[in-house]
Amino acid sequence: ETGVTQTPRHLVMGMTNKKSLKCEQHLGHNAMYWYKQSAKKPLELMFVYNFKEQTENNSVPSRFSPECPNSSHLFLHLHTLQPEDSALYLCASSQTQVGGRAGELFFGEGSRLTVL
Amino acid sequence: AQSVTQLDSQVPVFEEAPVELRCNYSSSVSVYLFWYVQYPNQGLQLLLKYLSGSTLVESINGFEAEFNKSQTSFHLRKPSVHISDTAEYFCAVLGQGAQKLVFGQGTRLTINP
Repeated sequence: ETGVTQTPRHLVMGMTNKKSLKCEQHLGHNAMYWYKQSAKKPLELMFVYNFKEQTENNSVPSRFSPECPNSSHLFLHLHTLQPEDSALYLCASSQTQVGGRAGELFFGEGSRLTVL
Repeated sequence: AQSVTQLDSQVPVFEEAPVELRCNYSSSVSVYLFWYVQYPNQGLQLLLKYLSGSTLVESINGFEAEFNKSQTSFHLRKPSVHISDTAEYFCAVLGQGAQKLVFGQGTRLTINP
């Protein structure tokens, strides 16, 4: 139990569906992150929110839309995805986005997404 | 900008043997260094970190890593591995003043009985 909870753990969707991934952290952290983990590729940072403000969008296609209503919750809205978007999507949080503490990330278990 | 190279994508070892997972980084500024571990079907967990002070850092489960500034390395070692150490290990670097942790490609450690 890392204090970061992701739902759903598994999701299968068609290319025309709209779905959302949810992340909740119970650690009192101020920064939250979405990462994409694909087989045989390095971990890819997608989005960063610090105190609810987006501070990083790593050239992510617009079919991925993040939302951070407060410091404890982070969503990733998915629309008209492609099969190559199939991957493990990991949410993480850190106490702050500055200094060494920014490297101390707490990850959820991930949402395994399959796009048909 | 920073970058991380993990020299081995897979490392198979026998149980109770020693292991070293190699990590080299590049950066034009001072760095903080991290090792994360990902057990099967789980997210990543912080294993150990170097922020400042002693260059040798240890984890609670027997792993250690040494920050070597001259060789820009942060290799992970364990003198005797267990089956439960089977996982993927990620080295990561954060440059001072940077806001983005950069991960290596990961090393899959497989323990054979």
